[in-house]
Amino acid sequence: QVQLVESGGGVVQPGRSLRLSCAASGFTLSGYAMHWVRQAPGKGLEWVSIISDDGSNKYHADSVKGRFTISRDNSKNTLYLEMTSLRLEDTAVYYCAREDITNSFAFDYWGQGTLVTVSS
Amino acid sequence: QSALTQPASVSGSPGQSITISCTGTSSEFANYNFVSWYQQNPGEAPKLIIYEGTKRPSGVSSRFSGSKSGNTASLTISGLQAEDETDYYCCSFAGSSTWVFGGGTKLTVL
Repeated sequence: QVQLVESGGGVVQPGRSLRLSCAASGFTLSGYAMHWVRQAPGKGLEWVSIISDDGSNKYHADSVKGRFTISRDNSKNTLYLEMTSLRLEDTAVYYCAREDITNSFAFDYWGQGTLVTVSS
Repeated sequence: QSALTQPASVSGSPGQSITISCTGTSSEFANYNFVSWYQQNPGEAPKLIIYEGTKRPSGVSSRFSGSKSGNTASLTISGLQAEDETDYYCCSFAGSSTWVFGGGTKLTVL
């Protein structure tokens, strides 16, 4: 069955960096665009980034542009999010999500999330 | 990236129907039907319940239905059950390879 498992979260000081990983199983990662979505404590969902199936196209929300970089290694079935210059407002649970292959622009599978806490 | 507007909360009694609205301002939202809806239980990941505005993934109850008219998409839950009490989010492709979520709606089953 399809599984997405995030890791790499933790407590980090403002201005520092962190890399999140999302291990995919149960499907061929190279066939799907993938996303990161985050949720601050007690708040709603916020779309963060998308990477195309082959990794050639990447886009980020304005709130993270220039600081976060999405990437993937299809040979390792893994998605990444490199986060630099972290701010207090980046504190959130970060989910990786698979985009539906039928071009519906929906997220059909989600990981359980990994918590990133930015604190001094 | 403009946000989508949802009511903060809605409520209904068991067996009734409720509707959650989702209003967007972008031309992409008005002209296309790439709206999806997600159900999120506390401490869990979101779950897709409606895509392309009206379609249900396999395994999702037929009590959930979606619609869209102009700048407003709607999620209707019929035959309300206690287990439906949780948070619901709309989401839309916003153009330029970006997506946007609504602020979320907390459904209370009275």
